Amino acid sequence: DGGITQSPKYLFRKEGQNVTLSCEQNLNHDAMYWYRQDPGQGLRLIYYSQIVNDFQKGDIAEGYSVSREKKESFPLTVTSAQKNPTAFYLCASSGGGLGTQYFGPGTRLTVL
Amino acid sequence: ILNVEQSPQSLHVQEGDSTNFTCSFPSSNFYALHWYRWETAKSPEALFVMTLNGDEKKKGRISATLNTKEGYSYLYIKGSQPEDSATYLCAFIGPNFGNEKLTFGTGTRLTIIP
Repeated sequence: DGGITQSPKYLFRKEGQNVTLSCEQNLNHDAMYWYRQDPGQGLRLIYYSQIVNDFQKGDIAEGYSVSREKKESFPLTVTSAQKNPTAFYLCASSGGGLGTQYFGPGTRLTVL
Repeated sequence: ILNVEQSPQSLHVQEGDSTNFTCSFPSSNFYALHWYRWETAKSPEALFVMTLNGDEKKKGRISATLNTKEGYSYLYIKGSQPEDSATYLCAFIGPNFGNEKLTFGTGTRLTIIP
């Protein structure tokens, strides 16, 4: 089946640790995105990539890093510099055109 | 940062009733507006993509209209069913921000009461 997978579903980390969230797609999409959701807020864009080996900061990139070495994969690292990392993280991909995005199931990150 | 607003924030509707809610967005530099449905424990899924002023899209009992001149879109659900319970998100694309970069509203959380 074609789709987007994110792992893990739940993630706990200690304060001060970096953690990497996985996002893989087999839809052959060029563009991939990372969003963060907090209670009472809309999805906010962290980083996006429109092509392999290229990515752009979104609205809230501070404290995060990404890589796009393969078309299928767009991992997000939440670094210790992110002041409030506890949130729900969604990955999406898009094949272009009018930009309909296809979402993964999300990862809930909790910092203890 | 663009301002995309949705109202109401939440809504309870009796099964069988019809309902509608609103997405407001910047009327200048419009490129497209998306509607997504996000059911609990699932991924958001696309409902509609709308680009032209006056556009009207329909999918079963759900329809949407678009007014780009005044900067709003309505989503209508006719004869609500329990499976319509979800959060409905709208997302705006403006050409100055890249043709695939969406700015999302905070969503309208719809609960259908059996």
